[in-house]
Amino acid sequence: GAVVSQHPSRVICKSGTSVKIECRSLDFQATTMFWYRQFPKKSLMLMATSNEGSKATYEQGVEKDKFLINHASLTLSTLTVTSAHPEDSSFYICSARMRDGKNEQFFGPGTRLTVL
Amino acid sequence: AQKITQTQPGMFVQEKEAVTLDCTYDTSDQSYGLFWYKQPSSGEMIFLIYQGSYDEQNATEGRYSLNFQKARKSANLVISASQLGDSAMYFCAMRGDDKIIFGKGTRLHILP
Repeated sequence: GAVVSQHPSRVICKSGTSVKIECRSLDFQATTMFWYRQFPKKSLMLMATSNEGSKATYEQGVEKDKFLINHASLTLSTLTVTSAHPEDSSFYICSARMRDGKNEQFFGPGTRLTVL
Repeated sequence: AQKITQTQPGMFVQEKEAVTLDCTYDTSDQSYGLFWYKQPSSGEMIFLIYQGSYDEQNATEGRYSLNFQKARKSANLVISASQLGDSAMYFCAMRGDDKIIFGKGTRLHILP
């Protein structure tokens, strides 16, 4: 089955530093990748949608300059949290949609970010 | 290994009928949480309901209820009195120790 990985699975950083999270589709090509943030009250917020080779589409209220998304290839998308602050601490999840048009979506295991 | 299984890739249900979406899971964690999300075509994930592994009562949220059978490792979502707006993709997910796993989803079609 299709597998999506995220790296790192857990990261702790100091306030003001930048953190990069990778999302990879291991055995398929993903034309579209989604980035979500899970809040303590269980809600999963869509942050942005990225298509290979083009700029990401950010949801309303998500700061583009703070959450940099790069979809450099059909198997890799990265989310960089710039100048991280404690309120950015969260669980970040990516998902990938296959190129075959079936609209199936496969989720990564998530990355827990803790900003001190 | 942790696993979530949703065996129904698609379902067609008449409006106003109740719907049960199946979800089974496998985990060795003692403490875990089970979620259901609704995903419209826009891609956003709408949180519907949550069940903690130690919760003794089944979770309910309005028209949504979670039929939690711990011994059978199942966490089925029940939607009562379905509406046309319920047509969407539904994902079951399990969160353990800093890891979340999603099922493949069930596409629900509500027929008028």
